[in-house]
Amino acid sequence: DTAVSQTPKYLVTQMGNDKSIKCEQNLGHDTMYWYKQDSKKFLKIMFSYNNKELIINETVPNRFSPKSPDKAHLNLHINSLELGDSAVYFCASSQGTGRVGQPQHFGDGTRLSIL
Amino acid sequence: AQSVTQLGSHVSVSEGALVLLRCNYSSSVPPYLFWYVQYPNQGLQLLLKYTSAATLVKGINGFEAEFKKSETSFHLTKPSAHMSDAAEYFCAVSDFGNEKLTFGTGTRLTIIP
Repeated sequence: DTAVSQTPKYLVTQMGNDKSIKCEQNLGHDTMYWYKQDSKKFLKIMFSYNNKELIINETVPNRFSPKSPDKAHLNLHINSLELGDSAVYFCASSQGTGRVGQPQHFGDGTRLSIL
Repeated sequence: AQSVTQLGSHVSVSEGALVLLRCNYSSSVPPYLFWYVQYPNQGLQLLLKYTSAATLVKGINGFEAEFKKSETSFHLTKPSAHMSDAAEYFCAVSDFGNEKLTFGTGTRLTIIP
């Protein structure tokens, strides 16, 4: 059973399109995250939700909109895709709810390529 | 803001040799520190974490790391490298209160047969 699963694994699309990436975790965790990994492997947090509530919103363009229908799901919608959005996007989860120092569990990533 | 610095973007060692990957942290208070490994085309997997319980932390796959406050370091070591250790390794520090992870720039470990 995959703990944190993302779909799709690969996403190839044209500039200007709108796309969504879905994430689900079956670990019973309260907190979920989206990270962006660029071509140089640098990882940066984008958003974090705790029990469906947004708690971290880094300086991300508002073309990116996360949505958490329940605490087991955190989706990422991207409008008007740009070349610079090409990256690998990782979803992660942790126990959260004030339990600092808890490790995060990562999905296998979604490789987004903008043509 | 807390941060980590990984010295050496690429490290090559011979199979059977000692692996040493360096990480220094910047924090005004004792931090929570992590090492993650990323194999090609996969997500990140936790190797080990430091949460102030013990300065020498043992992780999976024979890796360990030692927290040294005087040197603000949390270097990752493995006594004998194996071909399967070839991967990208990330050091990370956790913020307080929101569990935000700040990652280092990563170190690619290559194992020479």
